[in-house]
Amino acid sequence: DAGITQSPRYKITETGRQVTLMCHQTWSHSYMFWYRQDLGHGLRLIYYSAAADITDKGEVPDGYVVSRSKTENFPLTLESATRSQTSVYFCASSGAGGLYTDTQYFGPGTRLTVL
Amino acid sequence: SQQGEEDPQALSIQEGENATMNCSYKTSINNLQWYRQNSGRGLVHLILIRSNEREKHSGRLRVTLDTSKKSSSLLITASRAADTASYFCATDSTGNQFYFGTGTSLTVIP
Repeated sequence: DAGITQSPRYKITETGRQVTLMCHQTWSHSYMFWYRQDLGHGLRLIYYSAAADITDKGEVPDGYVVSRSKTENFPLTLESATRSQTSVYFCASSGAGGLYTDTQYFGPGTRLTVL
Repeated sequence: SQQGEEDPQALSIQEGENATMNCSYKTSINNLQWYRQNSGRGLVHLILIRSNEREKHSGRLRVTLDTSKKSSSLLITASRAADTASYFCATDSTGNQFYFGTGTSLTVIP
């Protein structure tokens, strides 16, 4: 099915473990984004990518690593998970960028708990 | 931070009434968007208004933008129970990044 998918939908891990959250989109959108959503903070941008092999930091990038070797995939890795990274993570994609940013299409989210 | 702030944080109305929520932001923008989030789901785009526009309609939605006051409002007319959700504004001034507010939680009572 076309769209944007995230996996896993739920993940429980322990402090210090490495975790990778996957994001896949079938629209061939140029732009992809990772957000985290926490109570009281709304959504905050972690990283974004304008195209394959081009990534840039957002508002809260510390503790996260991204890569984009293929246009359709944008994995987010927590190299050494901390409790403060317990959150709901959303991936999004957009077909445009530049001066007038286009609509972003969101995945269903991954609920991550770090014990 | 350019983060938008929605007001009120929570709103409860009867079905059929109109719901108005507001968004204020801090710096100049290129455009402003409104998104809806149903419980446990991802965000869904509702409407985009550009900085040179003052009002925009989409079905039962009406969005206004006042760049002099750095504020926007979202009006949902004739609300339905299915409109129960959280609503977020998102602002963009650098082209590739969005800054979301903390959202307004709307409850429509049947």
